[in-house]
Amino acid sequence: NAGVTQTPKFQVLKTGQSMTLQCAQDMNHNSMYWYRQDPGMGLRLIYYSASEGTTDKGEVPNGYNVSRLNKREFSLRLESAAPSQTSVYFCASYLVAEAFFGQGTRLTVV
Amino acid sequence: AQTVTQSQPEMSVQEAETVTLSCTYDTSESDYYLFWYKQPPSRQMILVIRQEAYKQQNATENRFSVNFQKAAKSFSLKISDSQLGDAAMYFCAYRSFNSGYALNFGKGTSLLVTP
Repeated sequence: NAGVTQTPKFQVLKTGQSMTLQCAQDMNHNSMYWYRQDPGMGLRLIYYSASEGTTDKGEVPNGYNVSRLNKREFSLRLESAAPSQTSVYFCASYLVAEAFFGQGTRLTVV
Repeated sequence: AQTVTQSQPEMSVQEAETVTLSCTYDTSESDYYLFWYKQPPSRQMILVIRQEAYKQQNATENRFSVNFQKAAKSFSLKISDSQLGDAAMYFCAYRSFNSGYALNFGKGTSLLVTP
């Protein structure tokens, strides 16, 4: 019963490097989301996918791209990492009345 | 977008006492969900309690209960008989039936529980 699995859990990048955060859920949910969490800011929505084959921007999409590879997987890509993207990233999938979160990825860009 | 406001960045409570965390939100919708999430130092997001806007009865989960005032757009969390394990960051969240059903979070309240 894995729920939502994110990889990696920790990552350090140099400015300008690229990377992809992976997220997979095994609950057959249609909706999946990427959030970032910064101190004193709560969780802010980066991108979401309401169903397989669709993606939409959230509150803070600049500098990110996403891919909904299939119903299970929703990846977040940083093409050219910047120090402002240092954050904790959460993937989530939703049933109507409950969200399930991954364990988060702590990303540091130096 | 709907905004969620938590006006208490930090709160402190003694073990076994009761504490109330405040949350207000702004919306023009009539149907929505409200949530309280707990985030301990492990950073795991744990659902504490959920309230459907169409239900007038306040939700309760063991020691956790809410005071939902729809007209005032207020959604406070009461923790009774506080325990050391309740120490965490608490987030209030609003879920619309629009915008892909995304959760909108408040900035959080850090709860300290003292022996």
